[in-house]
Amino acid sequence: EAQVTQNPRYLITVTGKKLTVTCSQNMNHEYMSWYRQDPGLGLRQIYYSMNVEVTDKGDVPEGYKVSRKEKRNFPLILESPSPNQTSLYFCASSFRDRGVHEQYFGPGTRLTVT
Amino acid sequence: GQNIDQPTEMTATEGAIVQINCTYQTSGFNGLFWYQQHAGEAPTFLSYNVLDGLEEKGRFSSFLSRSKGYSYLLLKELQMKDSASYLCAVLAEWGAGNMLTFGGGTRLMVKP
Repeated sequence: EAQVTQNPRYLITVTGKKLTVTCSQNMNHEYMSWYRQDPGLGLRQIYYSMNVEVTDKGDVPEGYKVSRKEKRNFPLILESPSPNQTSLYFCASSFRDRGVHEQYFGPGTRLTVT
Repeated sequence: GQNIDQPTEMTATEGAIVQINCTYQTSGFNGLFWYQQHAGEAPTFLSYNVLDGLEEKGRFSSFLSRSKGYSYLLLKELQMKDSASYLCAVLAEWGAGNMLTFGGGTRLMVKP
């Protein structure tokens, strides 16, 4: 089954404790991205990756890191989480060789930082 | 940057037709998407427009006017399961590639 998976789905952590949210897709997509969704602000892109070892900042990259060592994986790293990073996070992937970048979204990770 | 506006909430009756508008301002436009998102779930793709005009797909249609920076999503024969948020998203040039920027979403409530 073609899908984007994220882990964990729910996480409660404390300020300053490094964490990683994993994202994996099995569709051989080149393009992957991370979004956060907050009430009243919609989905905002954090980072995206056009292919292996190619990443770039989106709208709200501060406080986040990413890596793309393999095509299928695109982990999101919070080196020192803060309460303002409490949010719902979505990973997404798509092909990049067509004009239509229909993105497939993972199920979401709800993060709470206390 | 990009500016995308859509109404925050709309209410409609089961069986009716509803139009959700989206206006945008951007440079390097490469297309406009509509996504549906049920509460607590991931967005799912509904439609894509890159040329002016109407694209029809079953009960859902999407329209684009690039010169006006305007799109709408038309939902016909509304069903209760259509109660969801509808996200307008603009694809535009960003750095070496493209970036998809989402509007705040329109929460649609379908009433019996």
